[in-house]
Amino acid sequence: GDSVTQMEGPVTLSEEAFLTINCTYTATGYPSLFWYVQYPGEGLQLLLKATKADDKGSNKGFEATYRKETTSFHLEKGSVQVSDSAVYFCALIFKAAGNKLTFGGGTRVLVKP
Amino acid sequence: ETGVTQTPRHLVMGMTNKKSLKCEQHLGHNAMYWYKQSAKKPLELMFVYSLEERVENNSVPSRFSPECPNSSHLFLHLHTLQPEDSALYLCASSQAGQGADEQYFGPGTRLTVT
Repeated sequence: GDSVTQMEGPVTLSEEAFLTINCTYTATGYPSLFWYVQYPGEGLQLLLKATKADDKGSNKGFEATYRKETTSFHLEKGSVQVSDSAVYFCALIFKAAGNKLTFGGGTRVLVKP
Repeated sequence: ETGVTQTPRHLVMGMTNKKSLKCEQHLGHNAMYWYKQSAKKPLELMFVYSLEERVENNSVPSRFSPECPNSSHLFLHLHTLQPEDSALYLCASSQAGQGADEQYFGPGTRLTVT
């Protein structure tokens, strides 16, 4: 079945550091890919998305590129802030599979001043 | 109100109680979802409603009973829960059939079963 694998955290960084969170997926076909973010005490918020190969999603300084060849959707930010401390979830959805959203396990990111 | 709202935000209940969680979406979507988020476990999809009909029930115990009276409201009725049911329960909605069908989540209800 479809699955999403993302790096385990926690990832601890200093402010202004470069952030990368790896995400790879297994799926038959070409799903749509998402990154969601969950700030402490809150629900999940859609951060960015990409619907086809080579698409780049971007939002709030975060970027991720849909790489069909490596079945990856790594999240990057060039200069993180303390306010970026959260849990980040990579996810995929397959319309042919009934629009079920499959999540990775989440990666906790802690940015220190 | 905007987006997806959930009430209550926090709930503590005994194993013999009956309670309900409420979700309301203000996005004009036609599909709604219940998820369970437990510590150190992946997000678990519990139920899916599309056009007010249940289309997914992921082997959820019968002590959880969903209800979707219309496309804007979703309930999760709880009875005789177990301590392992303590978790964050998230509601989401989407417009099925359009684009990437991204889901929009509410803030969740933090449930503690004592």
